[in-house]
Amino acid sequence: QVQLQQWGAGLLKPSETLSLTCAVNGGSFGGYDWTWVRQSPGKGLEWIGEITHSGRTTYNPSLKSRVALSVDTSKSQFSLRVTSVTAADTAVYFCVRGDRRDYYYYLDVWGNGTTVTVSS
Amino acid sequence: DIQMTQSPSSLSTSVGDRVTISCRASQSISPYLNWYQQKPGGAPKLLIYAASRVESGGPSRFSGNGSGTDFTLTISNLQPEDLATYFCQQTYRIPYTFGQGTKLEI
Repeated sequence: QVQLQQWGAGLLKPSETLSLTCAVNGGSFGGYDWTWVRQSPGKGLEWIGEITHSGRTTYNPSLKSRVALSVDTSKSQFSLRVTSVTAADTAVYFCVRGDRRDYYYYLDVWGNGTTVTVSS
Repeated sequence: DIQMTQSPSSLSTSVGDRVTISCRASQSISPYLNWYQQKPGGAPKLLIYAASRVESGGPSRFSGNGSGTDFTLTISNLQPEDLATYFCQQTYRIPYTFGQGTKLEI
């Protein structure tokens, strides 16, 4: 059964770079869209972007200028970087597996979440 | 972006109740609508995809319906473990967007 294990720094100062990594354990890395979603009291659940095992990326236009996703297929890991963070980036960040059945897309395996706080 | 609006925001219920949660999209998205359940302190869990398809392993008391812009999640015979917040999500167009959530209180 596939599990996602995520880690990264939880406390940042404004203007710093957020960096999180997610490891895919117990399942295939290919054939899925590896996704990041964040959740904050103010904005709720927000889709950040996704990356395939081959490195093709799709970003939320509202974050695209500050976000970068990457993959390391040798380790079955994918990563998120958000530059120039502000208090508005304070949220719980989830790594998630995106899958399709027929033409329908859904997020079916979620990591436990990492709380990221941006404060001076 | 496609806006997703859920109603109600919260709902006081009782064990055994039949509960219906609504989700409205700002444009037609049929049937690219998913439902997730999130328990306190946990990550969301997929319940329904493609508006009405129950995720494998999901309890049969959960069902989804709807088309166009209006969708519903129904929980029949509510159980204590259904205490959670429920979110809808559209996957018709990027960026995929979520509703603000409906919190069930039992």
